[in-house]
Amino acid sequence: NTVMTQSPTSMFISVGDRVTMNCKASQNVGTNVDWYQQKTGQSPKLLIYGASNRYTGVPDRFTGSGSGTDFTLTISNMQAEDLAVYYCLQYNYNPWTFGGGTKLELK
Amino acid sequence: QVQLTESGPGLVHPSETLSLTCTVSGFSLTGYSVYWVRQPSGKGLEWMGRMRYNGDTSYNSALKSRLSISRDTSKNQVFLKMNSLQTDDTGTYYCTSYNGAYWGQGTLVTVSS
Repeated sequence: NTVMTQSPTSMFISVGDRVTMNCKASQNVGTNVDWYQQKTGQSPKLLIYGASNRYTGVPDRFTGSGSGTDFTLTISNMQAEDLAVYYCLQYNYNPWTFGGGTKLELK
Repeated sequence: QVQLTESGPGLVHPSETLSLTCTVSGFSLTGYSVYWVRQPSGKGLEWMGRMRYNGDTSYNSALKSRLSISRDTSKNQVFLKMNSLQTDDTGTYYCTSYNGAYWGQGTLVTVSS
C-alpha cells in the first residue's frame, strides 16, 4: 500500500502565522492528492484537490503544491478558525490512503 | 442539495456483523461514486472502500476479507457490511461522495460486549 507520511504531527502556532505542513508518499502518486481539514466533532472538509486546486469556497490563504512524492499545504495568515487537523489523501493507487494528520494548536 | 446520511446500530457485539446504510439525496448513485471512511476515536482517517457509479466495488486490502459494499439505486442507498467485528473496529464511520466534497455527519459504532 502507498504510505502517506505527514509532518509534523502537530504544530503550535499563532494567529497571523504562515503555516507549512508536508505529506510524503512512499511512491509516485502524480498529483492525485487531496487535502482535508477536520475540526473537532466534525466531518472532514475538502480543501485542495489534485494537489493544488482549491475547492469551491476555500479561502485563498490555503495553497497546495507538489507532485510525485512530496506535497505541501500552506496556510498564509493563519486564522483562529483554521485550528484543526489536516489530512492528505492519495487516490492514485488502491487502496486510497490517508496521512496520519497534522494537528494545529494555539501557542 | 447534496446530502449523505449514515445510519446504523450504534452498538455491535464482538464477532458480530456491522451493517450500515448511507442514504443520499441530491444526486444519483449511477452518476457518482460513494466511499466509506472510518475513524477510530481520537485517531486518523482510514479509507475502507467504494461503490463506483457503474456498480463496481473496490476495498481496502486490509479489510477486504471482512467487508462488503452494495447498493440499491432505487432507494438511493449504499450499504456497508463488515463481519467479525472486534473492539478496534470502534469508531465513527463516514460515507462521502463527489470526490470528497460531500460527507455525511458520521455514525459512531461501538464494539463492546
